[in-house]
Amino acid sequence: SAVISQKPSRDICQRGTSLTIQCQVDSQVTMMFWYRQQPGQSLTLIATANQGSEATYESGFVIDKFPISRPNLTFSTLTVSNMSPEDSSIYLCSVKGQLNTEAFFGQGTRLTVV
Amino acid sequence: KQEVTQIPAALSVPEGENLVLNCSFTDSAIYNLQWFRQDPGKGLTSLLLIQSSQREQTSGRLNASLDKSSGRSTLYIAASQPGDSATYLCAVDRNRDDKIIFGKGTRLHILP
Repeated sequence: SAVISQKPSRDICQRGTSLTIQCQVDSQVTMMFWYRQQPGQSLTLIATANQGSEATYESGFVIDKFPISRPNLTFSTLTVSNMSPEDSSIYLCSVKGQLNTEAFFGQGTRLTVV
Repeated sequence: KQEVTQIPAALSVPEGENLVLNCSFTDSAIYNLQWFRQDPGKGLTSLLLIQSSQREQTSGRLNASLDKSSGRSTLYIAASQPGDSATYLCAVDRNRDDKIIFGKGTRLHILP
């Protein structure tokens, strides 16, 4: 299994500011996934981050709003830029195991924008 | 486009009962199906993974089955306990490096 540490666990931010979320994995992984879970909803993929290349964004998500870094095989960051109350969600980092590709998730970052 | 549906959306049962949660998916060309548990405001905990070549997986009081051809999976919880109260999510993917697509979940409440 993979252990994922995500920081911060929660934050309350002012609109117009930016927040960077960190995701650290205890093993090397090729791909890391960033999801958003809006209140009362299921998870939606924001982007897939590969080490050494630009992230691949899903429809409806753009790099200017959600820039992602992937400097090595164990770490990634997601920035939520120019935040508005609509960005209030839980943001989750995920990886897949190397053997059976089971998906593992961090504990999430609960973001509230006021 | 793959769509995952979970029924029921919410379920309340007395403690001790056995129960079944249902998941269906529209595209049978899946690689893995995975069941997760999510407690309020928290991340996801993986419960069971069923690879496309498998029919079922068991862990303790949990048993998940997969009928790939009909696009269905069930999660069976035996002798339910109040600590089982959580949202249960079903998710599938197309290949080992692909994203996973989630259902909307079943919110389970076990009554003491």
